[in-house]
Order: sequence, then C-alpha cells, then structure tokens
Amino acid sequence: SQLAEENSWALSVHEGESVTVNCSYKTSITALQWYRQKSGKGPAQLILIRSNEREKRNGRLRATLDTSSQSSSLSITATRCEDTAVYFCASSNSGTYQRFGTGTKLQVVP
Amino acid sequence: AQTIHQWPVAEIKAVGSPLSLGCTIKGKSSPNLYWYWQATGGTLQQLFYSITVGQVESVVQLNLSASRPKDDQFILSTEKLLLSHSGFYLCAWSLGDWGGDAEQFFGPGTRLTVL
Repeated sequence: SQLAEENSWALSVHEGESVTVNCSYKTSITALQWYRQKSGKGPAQLILIRSNEREKRNGRLRATLDTSSQSSSLSITATRCEDTAVYFCASSNSGTYQRFGTGTKLQVVP
Repeated sequence: AQTIHQWPVAEIKAVGSPLSLGCTIKGKSSPNLYWYWQATGGTLQQLFYSITVGQVESVVQLNLSASRPKDDQFILSTEKLLLSHSGFYLCAWSLGDWGGDAEQFFGPGTRLTVL
C-alpha cells in the first residue's frame, strides 16, 4: 500500500491473476486519481474518483474510495504483462494541487 | 486529437548554468497547465500551475520559475541550476475544473541531469 507521504511497496503477480493496490490519505479530499507510469514515460491517468463516489470502473480496473477510513484501492483483474508499471494515487482538495503517493511497483510475470 | 509535446527530451547541464524547458499543447483551447518534478525512482511533486495566459501560480519553490507566454505553451526555467534539480520534468494539462479535481494528461517528460 502507499500513503500520501510514506513508503511504497512492490507487488508481483502472475499474468491472469488479480491484484489490488492500496492508498490512504491524511486530509479531506474532493477527488482522488489513480495513475500508471511505465519506465521512462509520463504517467497515464487511469481513474478519477470524486469524494461523493464509492466505486468507479474502467475496463479491467476498479477503484474504490472510502472517505471514512481515508483510503482508496485500485484493483486490476486478468492482469497482463503490459500492466507492469508503477501505480500512483494522487489526492486533491477543491482543486488545489495534487498530492501524489510514493507509488507501488507492480510486476506482472508470465 | 490533442497532443502534448515537451522539449528537449533530455538535457545534461552544469551546476550554475541556466535552464529552459518547454511544453506545448495542441488541439485544446485554454487548457490548464501544470509542471511536475520527479526524482529518479520517486514520486511526483507539483511545481506550478496556470489556468490562463500570463498567470502562473507556484506550488513549491525549488529555485525555478514558470511562464505561460501563449495559450498553448508553458515554460519552466531557472538562471542557476543546482544538483538537486536533476530529475524528470513533466508537463500536464486538463480542461474545466482545475487541479486534482480534473483528469490530468501528462506529456512524455524531459530528463534533466545536472553535473
């Protein structure tokens, strides 16, 4: 899991398995975004979930948001080797700057 | 289709030398623009944002400055580079709601090495 200001984790799964990346934040938010960054590239936005939403999906991706526990998760089903990347969550409050987590490195092996 | 271009792709500069990095957005009118910095293996830190031409707000002071001379252009610069400026610089854009409440789309980045 990753915290807005703390250490990252690394995960390794086999292709076809499901995986969940967790994120928690410390202040109230209006939105939280999940990004994927492949080595040497800019981040790609995956899902934006607003504080009044509990779940959002994008293909094989599913993000949840629990404002009571100040946490979010990103689940990937049927993982593929191309899902190998660093996954970041980023929180914001009323359009102020985004605070990025430290990232979770996911490796999907054949 | 909208495209975001950053230049140069990579730079190797000496400590104390000046720097100018650029970002251009094509295909979108009046985007909100952002500069981020990422240390190698680290997280992203937002540096600046701009919601209109000529207006730039600083988020973090790292002895850098930014300007938006045109609607589709964002420039990051400094007169004197420090070793700590090394890293990956990313430009991003969004429309409508600004900041973290809007989907942001990132450019390919510029890799800066300060020696």
